[in-house]
This record gives sequence, C-alpha cells and structure tokens, in this order.
Amino acid sequence: AQSVTQLGSHVSVSEGALVLLRCNYSSSVPPYLFWYVQYPNQGLQLLLKYTSAATLVKGINGFEAEFKKSETSFHLTKPSAHMSDAAEYFCAVTSYSSASKIIFGSGTRLSIRP
Amino acid sequence: DAMVIQNPRYQVTQFGKPVTLSCSQTLNHNVMYWYQQKSSQAPKLLFHYYDKDFNNEADTPDNFQSRRPNTSFCFLDIRSPGLGDAAMYLCATSRDTVDERRQNEQFFGPGTRLTVL
Repeated sequence: AQSVTQLGSHVSVSEGALVLLRCNYSSSVPPYLFWYVQYPNQGLQLLLKYTSAATLVKGINGFEAEFKKSETSFHLTKPSAHMSDAAEYFCAVTSYSSASKIIFGSGTRLSIRP
Repeated sequence: DAMVIQNPRYQVTQFGKPVTLSCSQTLNHNVMYWYQQKSSQAPKLLFHYYDKDFNNEADTPDNFQSRRPNTSFCFLDIRSPGLGDAAMYLCATSRDTVDERRQNEQFFGPGTRLTVL
C-alpha cells in the first residue's frame, strides 16, 4: 500500500530564509507524488507533481521538489520565504489500488516570521 | 476560466436538519470527489464518482449520501447532521484515462464550511 509521511506538523522560518518541508513516501510501485498548498478557508491548490519525467520538479510560486528514490523522499523547498507562503502544505501519493484516489500526508503548517 | 465551484461557501444548519452541499465543474472531468476536512487535519475522502459509478469509502457513515445527475454537478447530502459533522467539505475533480492513470492531479473547489448548531 502507498503512504506518505510528513515530518514536522509545524515549521516556522524567517522571511527570506530557506523553506524545507519534508515528505517521505512508501510505495511498492513507482509512485506519482504531489505537493498541494491550502490557504486558510480555501481549497487545495497543486504546487507541483512528480510523474517520473524528471527528478527535480519545479512548481508555482518558486517552489521545487526533488524525487530521491534511494531516500524515498520528495521534500519541498523554496530558496527564500515570503510572508504569503504561510499556509498548510500537503504531500500526497496516488493509490495504486485505485487509479482515481490519492493519499494525503498529515500536513505541515508553514509560518513565516517577519 | 475552467474551475470547480462550491455553493454555498458557508452553511449553517441545525442538529438533525438535512443539508445539501453542491459542487459544479467546468473542466469536463470524469471523476468527482467529496472530502471532509476537520481543523488541522488532512482531507478525508468520503466517496467519489468515476463517471456515473459511485464509490463509497468503507468508513463513510450512512448519514452521508451523494448524487451526480450529470457530468458537471455533484451533491453531498447529510441526512441528519450531528455536531461531529461540522467541518470543511471539499469537492474535487480529476481526469482519469487509461493512458494517464494515476498521473493526473485533482482540482479542488474552495470548500463549504459547515456549522451545526
């Protein structure tokens, strides 16, 4: 079965600092992985996705993630945090048992300090 | 712009009073989902429609029902809301094809926040 684990339910960084949100996956088949962002009282918005075309994936708002098979990781990074990046971030993997379902991690709340 | 629309954005109902939440999409996606999301938690899938086929999650209470009268619309019915059903309800869509199975992301609506008094 597929699963994702997000390390750290809350991450706080200073404005302008590096953002690193951790995600590890478990999958018996090559995974398709996603990062979503959710702003307060909003739905989820796709930041980026990995579908095996390239291990370094660039997304919206300056975010990127690197797929590392040896580490079973798909960490999300951004070189310089903005106040507007404050939100909840979810890592997700598609379920092999059902083509249309995705499995979410528990989420990481990102706070930005002025 | 193609999008997923949810109405209303905020819904207040009384304990035990049936309520219906609606979702529409202009993406022409064949799969539609309903999620329940409680504070500081990940979305929890309630059920999804693959075309006209209804797929219920094993742990979704019978109190929750859904209808999909056509490709564009999907409804969530809560027959007798309890206090524990207060949550954000998210509708999402995706395009699932044999060639692109598992690759396509889900597109989410803005959600309906349900309050039960």
